Amino acid sequence: SQQGEEDPQALSIQEGENATMNCSYKTSINNLQWYRQNSGRGLVHLILIRSNEREKHSGRLRVTLDTSKKSSSLLITASRAADTASYFCATMSAAGNKLTFGGGTRVLVKP
Amino acid sequence: DVKVTQSSRYLVKRTGEKVFLECVQDMDHENMFWYRQDPGLGLRLIYFSYDVKMKEKGDIPEGYSVSREKKERFSLILESASTNQTSMYLCASSFPWTGRTQNTEAFFGQGTRLTVV
Repeated sequence: SQQGEEDPQALSIQEGENATMNCSYKTSINNLQWYRQNSGRGLVHLILIRSNEREKHSGRLRVTLDTSKKSSSLLITASRAADTASYFCATMSAAGNKLTFGGGTRVLVKP
Repeated sequence: DVKVTQSSRYLVKRTGEKVFLECVQDMDHENMFWYRQDPGLGLRLIYFSYDVKMKEKGDIPEGYSVSREKKERFSLILESASTNQTSMYLCASSFPWTGRTQNTEAFFGQGTRLTVV
């Protein structure tokens, strides 16, 4: 099974609403990252949170990390139609060189 | 502008053929990765490399091998292609986490959609 598992698998919201997705993982990590993938395109890095951090913000993105529960959440505030994409969490191993992804959350933002 | 380039966007190969997927990065990254992406399964790690000639198995290495003779190039090899290897293959690269380099953001190529018939 994969290191990261996202929940929910799919999410449909109205423009302007907030979108929250969660990620759980199994082993010790160096950091956790979130990526976005638009349909048919490559992945784009959104934000990185280190294992000794608990919360991080970047624009409309807020990421939390709870290493005791081995879980993270990504919040997108005031969503826009352009936020429609798949979102993936990825964990960097404690050794700092293995990057493992989860199954992703498909987000649909309706105008 | 940083770049990860995969040699082909689309490939069609016959069952039993030996297939080479090439990936080149221009960012002097030590880490390079090969993933396959299938609907509902997300990205699964096939192999990764943290230095020239160094490689480690990911979560699904069976049926694949890799080669890293130069720092900028990481090749994925399907020794004898099978229909269950029909998939989107994604290459990525990043710096490792070290005392000097703490940004391990991965950069991705555009993917190679491989169909094995």
